[in-house]
Formats: sequence, C-alpha cells, structure tokens
Amino acid sequence: DVKVTQSSRYLVKRTGEKVFLECVQDMDHENMFWYRQDPGLGLRLIYFSYDVKMKEKGDIPEGYSVSREKKERFSLILESASTNQTSMYLCASQDVAGELFFGEGSRLTVL
Amino acid sequence: GESVGLHLPTLSVQEGDNSIINCAYSNSASDYFIWYKQESGKGPQFIIDIRSNMDKRQGQRVTVLLNKTVKHLSLQIAATQPGDSAVYFCAENYGGATNKLIFGTGTLLAVQP
Repeated sequence: DVKVTQSSRYLVKRTGEKVFLECVQDMDHENMFWYRQDPGLGLRLIYFSYDVKMKEKGDIPEGYSVSREKKERFSLILESASTNQTSMYLCASQDVAGELFFGEGSRLTVL
Repeated sequence: GESVGLHLPTLSVQEGDNSIINCAYSNSASDYFIWYKQESGKGPQFIIDIRSNMDKRQGQRVTVLLNKTVKHLSLQIAATQPGDSAVYFCAENYGGATNKLIFGTGTLLAVQP
C-alpha cells in the first residue's frame, strides 16, 4: 500500500513564525502536491512538484513556498505565518494513472 | 451535490437504504474522475474512479455514473452503513501535461441507524 506520511498532525504557531510541514511518500511517485482544505471551499492546490527540485505554483501559492530536495520528500514552508493560514494541510502523491494518495493531514492553527 | 459558500450540503439516509451523491464538474475536456471519502480527522481516501470513455463503473457496494453531456457525476452506495458516514467529494482531471485534479467542495453523508 502507498503510504504518505505527514510529520505533524496538529501544530499551533504564532503569527510571524516560520512553519515547516513535512511530507514523505514511499512509492517512488514523481508527482507530489500540497493542498489546503477549508470548510465550504474544498481542497485548493497550493504547490505541486513533478520531480526533484521542480515546483509549480497551484491556485493559491501566496504566502507559501516548497522544497523538493529528494524524490520522496515534499515540504511546505510558511515563511511568516498569518492567522488566515489556519487550515488543514493535505499532502498527496500521484501514481502514473493519475490517482492521488493523501496523507492524514496537518491541522495548523496560527494565533 | 456541489456547494458554494460555507455550508456543506448534507445527505441524510437510513441505514440499509441506497445513497446517491451528485457532482457537477466544470471542464468538458476532463478525462478522468475520482470519488474520495474523507472521515472526520483523516485524509481523503480513494473510493472509485472512472475514465471519460466509460459511462458506468462498479465497485464493491459503490457505482459511479458519468454523464458527459451534462457534465455530471454520481456516486451510488448500496445498503448504506454507519461506517459510510463521511464527506464525499469528486475530483476531475483536466489531463494534459499538468495532471492536476480539481476537487468539488463535498457532500456530507449522514447515516441514521
């Protein structure tokens, strides 16, 4: 089974702090994604990556950056957290057929 | 079906009844569709998928129907059980080089015992 692991399930940070959300997948998938999920808005794509050191902006990249130094790891970075970034963050990797496999999510609260 | 705004549409069914959850997708060029189930506090899980060259696909207790004419997707769950209670949402793949999935906002299925 594909396993996508997000390192933190729950985080509480203060405004202005730098936040790292880590995601690791074990199926050698090339494509990885970061989404945020908010009530009534569904999943919105922040950034995605097709390969190591490659990244593409999604629909809402403002305030975020990403890092893909190794194929299995895709990190989401909030350089200076703000209260409107309080959300559930979901990482996913994608197989060649197009199916996404999600992690359990990281719920971030910014005070 | 799909929602706009802050309130998630809810489908309430009795245990043992069949459930039908609907989704309207946006792009006539989309060629791959997936239904996901998300239980409270968990990440979305794959249920079933369908490609645009098909109208119907069946899994275990679930059936997905695709109507390309009206850009409509439905998920049918037979003999709904309490464990089926979750948020269900559809995703469409625009295809091409990006291979990105676009997600609907979801429907909450509440199964009454």
